[in-house]
Amino acid sequence: EAAVTQSPRNKVTVTGGNVTLSCRQTNSHNYMYWYRQDTGHGLRLIHYSYGAGNLQIGDVPDGYKATRTTQEDFFLLLELASPSQTSLYFCASSPYRVNQDTQYFGPGTRLLVL
Amino acid sequence: GDSVTQTEGQVTVSESKSLIINCTYSATSIAYPNLFWYVRYPGEGLQLLLKVITAGQKGSSRGFEATYNKETTSFHLQKASVQESDSAVYYCALSDNVGDNSKLIWGLGTSLVVNP
Repeated sequence: EAAVTQSPRNKVTVTGGNVTLSCRQTNSHNYMYWYRQDTGHGLRLIHYSYGAGNLQIGDVPDGYKATRTTQEDFFLLLELASPSQTSLYFCASSPYRVNQDTQYFGPGTRLLVL
Repeated sequence: GDSVTQTEGQVTVSESKSLIINCTYSATSIAYPNLFWYVRYPGEGLQLLLKVITAGQKGSSRGFEATYNKETTSFHLQKASVQESDSAVYYCALSDNVGDNSKLIWGLGTSLVVNP
């Protein structure tokens, strides 16, 4: 069973604050993804990566940076957090691109920007 | 672009009753997308419930089933008899299935509450 962990599980920061969300997967999957989930929206893809050092832009990248340091670790950075970034963030991984494959999700990080 | 529309908001069902959560899709980039149902139990991440990649086929898991209907562009989720443990948020999704840049397109999610 694929394992994806996220930290922290909950985070509160202030407007303009600096936040890093962490994700680790332990199954040597190639692809990793960051999503946000908001009421009234489906999951929206922020950034994704298909390997260490690689970064691809998703559908809602503004205000977010990401970095894939290793096969296992994918970070999401909010350098100047804004209240509009208050959301539930999910990390996911998959062995290769979506085609006929399954994404494995972490438990989510709930971020509140005051 | 591609889109997924599913039963909005919350669905409340009594235990042992039947369930249907509607899902319809629009796929402009590909004729036959892959279709998925994911579920998110309280405090957990999303997990795949079932997927179907061939039109006309039915997928099933944990007593749930969904049939890929290309004529009506639908992929409704059904269960004959729900249990309290089925209370969760259910997401319908499609994959545009186009090489390395393919992505999952998500519905808004439907919250299922099963009353004992």
